[in-house]
Parts: sequence; structure tokens; C-alpha cells
Amino acid sequence: GAVVSQHPSRVICKSGTSVKIECRSLDFQATTMFWYRQFPKQSLMLMATSNEGSKATYEQGVEKDKFLINHASLTLSTLTVTSAHPEDSSFYICSARDPLAGDNNEQFFGPGTRLTVL
Amino acid sequence: GESVGLHLPTLSVQEGDNSIINCAYSNSASDYFIWYKQESGKGPQFIIDIRSNMDKRQGQRVTVLLNKTVKHLSLQIAATQPGDSAVYFCAETNTGGFKTIFGAGTRLFVKA
Repeated sequence: GAVVSQHPSRVICKSGTSVKIECRSLDFQATTMFWYRQFPKQSLMLMATSNEGSKATYEQGVEKDKFLINHASLTLSTLTVTSAHPEDSSFYICSARDPLAGDNNEQFFGPGTRLTVL
Repeated sequence: GESVGLHLPTLSVQEGDNSIINCAYSNSASDYFIWYKQESGKGPQFIIDIRSNMDKRQGQRVTVLLNKTVKHLSLQIAATQPGDSAVYFCAETNTGGFKTIFGAGTRLFVKA
């Protein structure tokens, strides 16, 4: 199956700093990628849909100026958490659709990035 | 403000028994449903999917049932093994909208 990677897998930063998380589709081109956030013992919450070459679509309640998304190529989307605070500590997961994988909506998930803000 | 943590429902089964995990979905317009398995510290892993024009689909040791009348999905795991211990999420999406929404999740614990 298609492979999606994330970097870094784990990051610890100080409050007020910015952190960039990368999501890459390794063996396919993804016109659409998705960013999720998952707090402990909770489900995945969709933050935004990242579209290659255009602006991301953010879910209600997600601040676009705080969570900057860039999808500059068909294999890379980045999520930057700006001015991070302890409440931003979470598990961030990306996923990507392979447009050539048939007419279903199967998404391939990355391994996640654990962000801890001190 | 004060935050309240949510606790995932837990299903505990004996190794070798069958497991049934249930899920209620929210959107009547959803037409594609997926079950994912998530192990601790990892991303979700695809298990099985089903389209809304079906009510049952079988895979290897897993079966998904869909009841559109009551908007209910279930995942059946046959001969549950310790390696099946994980959190299981159902997800719903619409082939026109592409956005996938995850259910609350169930933690499966397999006793050896």
C-alpha cells in the first residue's frame, strides 16, 4: 500500500516558539492531504484539508494563523504550529489520498508526530 | 478553563473469542465507511471498508456490518489474538466531499 511519512516523530519545544511538521507521500502524488490532532484517549479530530497549490481549508474552531499549512508540492505538506503553548501539546497525524487508487476515499496515514510544549 | 478528559470505551475479550465493536455514525449522507486500528503512539491502520450499497463485507478474520436505517456499523473480529489489542475507530466519509470524520473509538483488550 501507499506510504506516508512524518518528520519529526517527536518534538519538544519551549512555549512561544514555532514548530514545523512535515508530511510526505513516499510512493504516490497526493493532491490532497489532511491534518488531524489527537489528544490522549480521544479520537482524531480533523484540523484542515491541505490542497496542493491552493489555500488549506480549515475546520471550524481551528485558527488558520496559528496552524499554518503549506502544500507546495504533490508529495509534501507542512504544518507549522506558531507561538506554541502547552495546550497545543498533542499527537498530530497527517493523511493523504492517492488519486490513482480507485474511486474510493481511502486515506493513508502517517505515523504521527508527538508535540510537547513546555 | 477546566477540561474534562474523555475515556474510551473498553472491550475486554479472551484470546480465541470473537470480538464485536460497535459504532454509530452521524451523517446520513455518508456513503463510505472505514474501520481503523490504532496502536499506541502510531497512526491509524486501515482494516476494512464498506460502501453504503452493501450491508456486509468480509476480510481475513474481520467482518464489517452496516445498518443504514439506524446509522450503525460494527466490526467483528474472529478468533481474537493478543496482537489485536489496540484502539479501533470507525470513520465515515462521502465520496463527493472527501472529508473523513472519525468516531469516538473503542479500546480492545485481549486477555491471554
